[in-house]
Formats: sequence, structure tokens, C-alpha cells
Amino acid sequence: QSALTQPRSVSGSPGQSVIISCTGTSSDVGGYNYVSWYQQYPGKAPKLMIYDVSKRPSGVPDRFSGSKSGNTASLTISGLQAEDEADYYCCSYAGRPVVFGGGTKLTVL
Amino acid sequence: QVQLQESGPGLVKPSETLSLTCTVSGGSISNYYWSWIRQPPGKGLEWIGHIYYNGNTNYNPSLKSRVSISVDTSKNQFSLNLSSVTAADTAVYFCARGFGGGVAANDYWGQGTLVTVSS
Repeated sequence: QSALTQPRSVSGSPGQSVIISCTGTSSDVGGYNYVSWYQQYPGKAPKLMIYDVSKRPSGVPDRFSGSKSGNTASLTISGLQAEDEADYYCCSYAGRPVVFGGGTKLTVL
Repeated sequence: QVQLQESGPGLVKPSETLSLTCTVSGGSISNYYWSWIRQPPGKGLEWIGHIYYNGNTNYNPSLKSRVSISVDTSKNQFSLNLSSVTAADTAVYFCARGFGGGVAANDYWGQGTLVTVSS
């Protein structure tokens, strides 16, 4: 299976909102409501931010939200903060395997 | 608090088998999926595969011929074997706990261990 497509980088100023897209196919993102999003700081393990398209694990700020339309999932971060600067990865169930996106580097200006 | 810890050799020779173990503490290995995910230096995440506590497995099709994941519920551990390694298998290897439909969600992760393939 192919990796999901994410923009290499996005940026925004503190307080603004940014959207990170994750495009797949009807065999993965479009076919199941099993999309998750991870935040990763350099040298650290990823942290689960969103699962099942739009659900937030306990402890994740409600500034982070997820959605899906067709074959594209999106992560929206509102009220951007300096600490949000990190790499973000989407992940989707794809029948039996699981597939990740290539990752997006978020820069807070 | 669930904690995961990877262990195993940090250096493996080409053509040999990479073997890692993940020890789960602070919770039972039962009733969850357990995943292996890797990240080559400077690159993105790649799902290797996962195992249910009862032994059912799913593997990345691109690695399937070389990968084996097993679980030892008595020790609260699960393991990864990757055979015939090459330099392309050099990566940080993470173990993680998976849940939910599809197992695309992993909520607890080990810190990761760097495995270098080199002679």
C-alpha cells in the first residue's frame, strides 16, 4: 500500500488556525473511519492526538480537532501555540494493514 | 500508567536477523493489540505490523516475507524478528499499544531504540 499524502510543511502565527491534510484513497482514508493523528517532537516517540477521525484521547487540548471528507482527512489546530511546533503524522486502517502519511512539519512563526 | 520498553541489539550485521523485545509494565498485555513501528533517520513513520494478545498478527505487505511478531503473555512481552536485514532497515524501532477498530490508534509508546545495520 502507498503512504498517505501530507503537505511537507505548514506554518502559522500564534493564535491562528492551521489545517493539515492527509489524502488517501477509497481503500484507506475514504473506506474507513479509522484515521488517527500523531504529534512528534525531535528525538521523541509520537503522541496520539486524534483517533477514529475526530476523537480526542484524554489530556489532548480541544484546540486539536479532526475531520474527514471523502478520501481526505484533516487535522485542525486552532489557537496556535509555540509548543505546537512539531511533526504531525496521519495514519489510517487500510483493510488489514495500517498506513502512515509522510509527515508534516508545523512551524509556528 | 502503562509503560513500554524496547530492548535488543543496537547493531546488526547485513543479512542477519534483527530481534527486539518490548516489555509492557503497569498494565496487562491482554485485550489489546501490540504494534511495531519504525522510523529511518530523518524520515517518516512506517508501520511494521501488530499482534493481538491471542497471537493473531497483521504485517506490512512490503515486509511480510521477512517479519515475525510474537507475544508472551506470561512475561507481558512481545517481540519482533526481521530477517535478512540491509542498511535500509536502519531505523528507530518503536513498540506501541494499539486499540480500536483498524488498530490505527496507538496510545502508549516505548521511547524507541535505534538499530543500525552495518558490518
